[in-house]
Amino acid sequence: TQLLEQSPQFLSIQEGENLTVYCNSSSVFSSLQWYRQEPGEGPVLLVTVVTGGEVKKLKRLTFQFGDARKDSSLHITAAQPGDTGLYLCAGAGGNTPLVFGKGTRLSVIA
Amino acid sequence: EAQVTQNPRYLITVTGKKLTVTCSQNMNHEYMSWYRQDPGLGLRQIYYSMNVEVTDKGDVPEGYKVSRKEKRNFPLILESPSPNQTSLYFCATSGTPVGYNEQFFGPGTRLTVL
Repeated sequence: TQLLEQSPQFLSIQEGENLTVYCNSSSVFSSLQWYRQEPGEGPVLLVTVVTGGEVKKLKRLTFQFGDARKDSSLHITAAQPGDTGLYLCAGAGGNTPLVFGKGTRLSVIA
Repeated sequence: EAQVTQNPRYLITVTGKKLTVTCSQNMNHEYMSWYRQDPGLGLRQIYYSMNVEVTDKGDVPEGYKVSRKEKRNFPLILESPSPNQTSLYFCATSGTPVGYNEQFFGPGTRLTVL
């Protein structure tokens, strides 16, 4: 089974600070996705990256896929309370089902 | 509107009483899956289905059954629930190939087994 390790597990920061969340594996993935989950709801897709070295931006969120397609990062600039939630990375290899990391729980304090 | 529906949303039951959690999607997706989410353990896949009549075990299939008789429905069956199956369950669907397409999640079913 392919494993995805996310770090940190928990992160509590002040509004306006920057942060980075990491997603690492010893396996190569053909694609990697980032989801955000709010309490009482299912995860919602933020982005999909498929090319090694790819960088995608979504407003204040920057996603990067490692050159070797084994790791990814999510960087948030000037975090806001609305960014609070559980961030999950998920990887797929070929035709295998999606594997999820355990998540990073982010709390942004106003 | 694209939708994944799960029923029931909340269920409290007793050990050994068979139950079914339904999942239905209106997006004509081939791929459907069931996850359970537990504190500290993240989302773990129970079963998945690549298409009608095709189902496969995920990481934690013990104690669960599924069926995929129609494309839109993918029920999760607990034949004899036990307290360690108390969890938050999510159904998810996507187009294929998986991982390149968005997974749409249902609203979740919170199950308590006493």
